[in-house]
Amino acid sequence: EVQLVESGGGLVKPGGSLRLSCAASGFTFSSYSMNWVRQAPGKGLEWVSSISSSSSYIYYADSVKGRFTISRDNAKNSLYLQMNSLRAEDTAVYYCARGGAARNHAFDIWGQGTMVTVSS
Amino acid sequence: VIWMTQSPSLLSASTGDRVTISCRMSQGISSYLAWYQQKPGKAPELLIYAASTLQSGVPSRFSGSGSGTDFTLTISCLQSEDFATYYCQQYYSFPRTFGQGTKVEIK
Repeated sequence: EVQLVESGGGLVKPGGSLRLSCAASGFTFSSYSMNWVRQAPGKGLEWVSSISSSSSYIYYADSVKGRFTISRDNAKNSLYLQMNSLRAEDTAVYYCARGGAARNHAFDIWGQGTMVTVSS
Repeated sequence: VIWMTQSPSLLSASTGDRVTISCRMSQGISSYLAWYQQKPGKAPELLIYAASTLQSGVPSRFSGSGSGTDFTLTISCLQSEDFATYYCQQYYSFPRTFGQGTKVEIK
């Protein structure tokens, strides 16, 4: 079964750090671009970051640029999001989502999400 | 940045109705548009990609159309399980952007 499972969410104080992980299974992880998408409570979807299959291309939303770092370990079938200097407005459910082999591809598989709460 | 205007934000309908949701882009994106369905407490699910291609396993009552700047999602005969929130997304350029969402509720 094709599956993505996020972990690492939790409660963190403003200015703190958190590292999210996304474990992939059921497909050849190294062949796909991957993405992080977040959703603040009661709000819509916001794209956060994307990484190509070989990590050659990385993109960030302006709202997280310079604070968040996306990475992947194809040997471990895992995607990561290092989040530093966290703010209250980063509070959201964070989803990892599979892209495709091509640069332009919809997000066809999503994880169940992990909640990040930034509060003092 | 490609801005997206999705309408309506709220749609009240009855089972069996035909409903349409619109998504307009601030610039042309060819057919690099996807539609997602999200139910409360769940992750989004891909319904349509490339503007009009149905994702595997998605019922044929869902259809998508459009290219360039104007796109439409149509549900031909609304079923009880279709009451949810729908989002469009462009994947033509970075940053990827989503529409604001359309909540389809029971009338």
